[in-house]
Amino acid sequence: KAGVTQTPRYLIKTRGQQVTLSCSPISGHRSVSWYQQTPGQGLQFLFEYFSETQRNKGNFPGRFSGRQFSNSRSEMNVSTLELGDSALYLCASSFGTGDHEQYFGPGTRLTVT
Amino acid sequence: AQTVTQSQPEMSVQEAETVTLSCTYDTSENNYYLFWYKQPPSRQMILVIRQEAYKQQNATENRFSVNFQKAAKSFSLKISDSQLGDTAMYFCAFGNTGANSKLTFGKGITLSVRP
Repeated sequence: KAGVTQTPRYLIKTRGQQVTLSCSPISGHRSVSWYQQTPGQGLQFLFEYFSETQRNKGNFPGRFSGRQFSNSRSEMNVSTLELGDSALYLCASSFGTGDHEQYFGPGTRLTVT
Repeated sequence: AQTVTQSQPEMSVQEAETVTLSCTYDTSENNYYLFWYKQPPSRQMILVIRQEAYKQQNATENRFSVNFQKAAKSFSLKISDSQLGDTAMYFCAFGNTGANSKLTFGKGITLSVRP
C-alpha cells in the first residue's frame, strides 16, 4: 500500500506570494492533518480534515487555510507569505477522525525569501 | 490545553546499549493516548509506539518499550540493543480524545547512536 505523498517536496517563494501544498493520504484513510515544523517552535498542529470538513484548527492566522476533496486528498494554502512561514509542512493521514495513529508524509520544505 | 515536555535536547548512546528518553505531559483529561514518533535525518516521521492511558500495561514493540506512569504524567521510551539506524529525532506526543482531538508534540530529542 502506498504511503502518504506530498507535493512539491521543496518550494521557494517570495514574501507576499501565496502557496498551495498537496497531500495524498494512504488509500482508505479519510482523515488528513497538517503540521508545521520549525526548529524554534517544533511541530505545531495546523488543522485536520475528515470527509471534506475541517474538524479542528490550530492557533494559526487566517492566512493558513485548507480543504479536502472527495477522494480524501487535501491541500493547504498560505497566502501573503512571511519569512516566518519558512518551515517543513507535514501531512499525516489516519483512518478516522480522532484516530491518532497517524502516518506522516515526507513533508514539503517551504523557504520564503 | 495539553503540554508535552521533553527536557533533554540531545542524547548519545553506544551501539548495543540501552537508552531511555524522557517525556512528561500535563493534562486534565482522563482518557488519552501517548505516542513516540521517530524522525530520521531527512526522512519521514514514523510511529514507534503507542500507549492508551486506560491501559496499565506498558506497551512494547520489539526493542522499544515505554514506562507509563499515569499519576506522575510521565511517559519514557526505552530503546534496548541500540542500533545505528536508531539515530534520529524522537518526539513524544499526546493525543486527546473526543471533539477537537489532535496531537500535541514535545520539542523532540536528538538521539545519536555511536558505533
